[in-house]
Amino acid sequence: GQQVMQIPQYQHVQEGEDFTTYCNSSTTLSNIQWYKQRPGGHPVFLIQLVKSGEVKKQKRLTFQFGEAKKNSSLHITATQTTDVGTYFCAGYGGDDKIIFGKGTRLHILP
Amino acid sequence: SAVISQKPSRDICQRGTSLTIQCQVDSQVTMMFWYRQQPGQSLTLIATANQGSEATYESGFVIDKFPISRPNLTFSTLTVSNMSPEDSSIYLCSVVPLAANTGELFFGEGSRLTVL
Repeated sequence: GQQVMQIPQYQHVQEGEDFTTYCNSSTTLSNIQWYKQRPGGHPVFLIQLVKSGEVKKQKRLTFQFGEAKKNSSLHITATQTTDVGTYFCAGYGGDDKIIFGKGTRLHILP
Repeated sequence: SAVISQKPSRDICQRGTSLTIQCQVDSQVTMMFWYRQQPGQSLTLIATANQGSEATYESGFVIDKFPISRPNLTFSTLTVSNMSPEDSSIYLCSVVPLAANTGELFFGEGSRLTVL
């Protein structure tokens, strides 16, 4: 079945440093979504990418969708303490099911 | 957007008992899903709750263990039957609102289940 792999599993960065998490699918995705889950909270939708090679920005966050629509990345510039949490990519395989990656837990060192 | 009320928020249960989790949405939705998330882990899709028909279960999940109801467009229940400690987890209801443009998922606050 469809698998969505995500690396790294954990990332510790100093406040102000950049952070990147990568997502790879075993199959071509119709689209990919990114979610953020704060400690103790539930996942919250960040963005959806649909087009091959698409790049979207939200303030300090940059999202990319690969040309083959099988990989994606999330880059945070100059991290802040509010960025703490787990970032999940989630792939829509075209059968109305969303499969989540294992997530990258971001910890910010003050 | 959608506001999802999920009950109970947490419960401690004895082995062998069953617990029903309710999910109520404030607006009509197209898709309703039930996920399980063990502490520090990712979200695993249990099933898609279909209105007026049997839920569609993912591999490893069966109706006898996780019966699901969805009587209308805004309400669903998940029952965890004959519980064992391995069922201790957070169970999350998620929906795609009818008015959503992007197919994004909205999640309830989750139901944290501990089985002794």
